[in-house]
Formats: sequence, structure tokens, C-alpha cells
Amino acid sequence: GAGVSQSPSNKVTEKGKDVELRCDPISGHTALYWYRQSLGQGLEFLIYFQGNSAPDKSGLPSDRFSAERTGGSVSTLTIQRTQQEDSAVYLCASSFLLGGGRADTQYFGPGTRLTVL
Amino acid sequence: GNSVTQMEGPVTLSEEAFLTINCTYTATGYPSLFWYVQYPGEGLQLLLKATKADDKGSNKGFEATYRKETTSFHLEKGSVQVSDSAVYFCALRGNQGGKLIFGQGTELSVKP
Repeated sequence: GAGVSQSPSNKVTEKGKDVELRCDPISGHTALYWYRQSLGQGLEFLIYFQGNSAPDKSGLPSDRFSAERTGGSVSTLTIQRTQQEDSAVYLCASSFLLGGGRADTQYFGPGTRLTVL
Repeated sequence: GNSVTQMEGPVTLSEEAFLTINCTYTATGYPSLFWYVQYPGEGLQLLLKATKADDKGSNKGFEATYRKETTSFHLEKGSVQVSDSAVYFCALRGNQGGKLIFGQGTELSVKP
């Protein structure tokens, strides 16, 4: 079946502009995650959605970062007033949720490469 | 907090050599452990996993055993191929919520 898809695949923007990154999870996956992969910081967790709510936002680096999920499906990560240090590959993953709030295996999308000039 | 430490790369091996990539973790409770692989130009793929102590995950000739006594989940393969060249990430997932904590990644290069 279809995997996790992300768009755009590449985004180049100027410092100070806002950007929106989109994630389409695997159909039926209740849990959705955003991660960031950068040379200096490796792979970092950003935010976790369970349905449309976000019980864990602990990885968002600043209040310029926000995310929402609608209809228990598509999610959008928004970065306001982008800075050069925001340049990274933004990865989305989704999974089923098992009993007791535990998550099943996460499947990753191909990522969005963000470059802030 | 939870953390994962991997051996530093890059690791360069000849084809058919034995591979070990060390991974140790710090965690409360009983985490699940994973190896993900990222081939050049591709996204992260799950390679194998283990959800409880003494479990062995295996896939494509790779193996890793969840060792609670040594808090380790080392990745091994008996005979590597050029096509195994990739970056390998060890990761853990705690009991709640499911966010993954990744190691820094180990780049493997296999020469013919």
C-alpha cells in the first residue's frame, strides 16, 4: 500500500519567511510524528500526534515552530520567520497505536529538505 | 532522560567482512529497540527491532540482540555486501507515546 508521503520534497526560502511542510500518513495510522535531521544535531524528535491532539510537543525548538493535524490524517508543520539554523531535512513518520498508549513500528516518509538562505 | 550512543563512523569494510556496530542505551522502564537504515538518497527504513530483553531481531542477514544486563543492542552481519553501504541508526522507544530517540548514526562503506 501507499507509504508516508511528504511535500514539498525540497524547499528553498529566504530568512524571515514562513514555510509550511505537509505530511500524509499511512491510512489508518493514528499516531504521527515529526523529526528533524541535520548535520550538527542528528535525528531529533519534534512533536507527536495521537489523532488530532499533540500530547508531546517537547521537541519543538522554539515558538516559531507549530504543527497541526486535521481529520486524524494530514499534518502540517509550520515554521515562522525562518532562520538559517532551521535548514534541515524534516521527516514525518506514522504508526498504529497499540493498547495502553504504546506505539507500533514507525514508518518514515522521504522527508522535506529545507534550505534557508 | 533516555539516550542512545552508537560507535562513531565511518566504518569501511571489504565485501564479505564481518560487521559489528555497537549501540548502548540509557532508559527508564522497558524500552523497545530498533535499527533503522538510510541508503544513499533514500528515506529511513526499519531494519529490525526487539521489544523485550533477550529478543533477537533479524532481517536481510542482520541481527541484534536486546541485552538488558549490558544495555546494548549491537548490530551484526556475518558477510557484508557493497549494497549494505548506508547510514545505520540505533533507536529506542519508551513505554508511552512512542517517540524515537536516535543515536548519531554510523556510516558504513563496503568496498568490493
